[in-house]
Amino acid sequence: GQNIDQPTEMTATEGAIVQINCTYQTSGFNGLFWYQQHAGEAPTFLSYNVLDGLEEKGRFSSFLSRSKGYSYLLLKELQMKDSASYLCAVRPYYGGATNKLIFGTGTLLAVQP
Amino acid sequence: NAGVTQTPKFQVLKTGQSMTLQCAQDMNHEYMSWYRQDPGMGLRLIHYSVGAGITDQGEVPNGYNVSRSTTEDFPLRLLSAAPSQTSVYFCASSTLGAGEKLLFGSGTQLSVL
Repeated sequence: GQNIDQPTEMTATEGAIVQINCTYQTSGFNGLFWYQQHAGEAPTFLSYNVLDGLEEKGRFSSFLSRSKGYSYLLLKELQMKDSASYLCAVRPYYGGATNKLIFGTGTLLAVQP
Repeated sequence: NAGVTQTPKFQVLKTGQSMTLQCAQDMNHEYMSWYRQDPGMGLRLIHYSVGAGITDQGEVPNGYNVSRSTTEDFPLRLLSAAPSQTSVYFCASSTLGAGEKLLFGSGTQLSVL
């Protein structure tokens, strides 16, 4: 089975750094994704990790440790527009060609002035 | 290039009514999927398809049918709507491949009274 855990809510201050953690247990692993979702909108892709280590993309970075079943999303120089839900999603591996993504419940980030 | 198009954006049904949520993509994506999103539950996979003529069940398939007669279209059918199916529905697609990100449609807000 699959289990993905992330905090329900977080609060941070504009200009600061925030780290959103995600732990997972899946039957087979073929990559971890982070998505951003603003209220009332569709999720949009932020990052993808399949090997251990840090992937940096502008103000956003994502880290993966496969042995620990752990990932985090790091947001630097927070802006008010970063207030959104951040969704951790795992792609299980079943041995076939499928792009299934299993999502965690999401972390609602509130950025305060 | 329109991406993933979902219709309708909003729908109200009475219990027992049937309806079809439409999803179309113009990117020649092999993989298409349907999710529902409920407060506190995150995105849950309903059905998915890896190509025309091929469909499979996700985490919460009961009460929903799908078909994939063309690469472009992946409709979701509710045969007898129930209040428990009140949710926001998202269609998502991608090319096949472990690192390929899902691209989401704008969603359908469905209320079943």
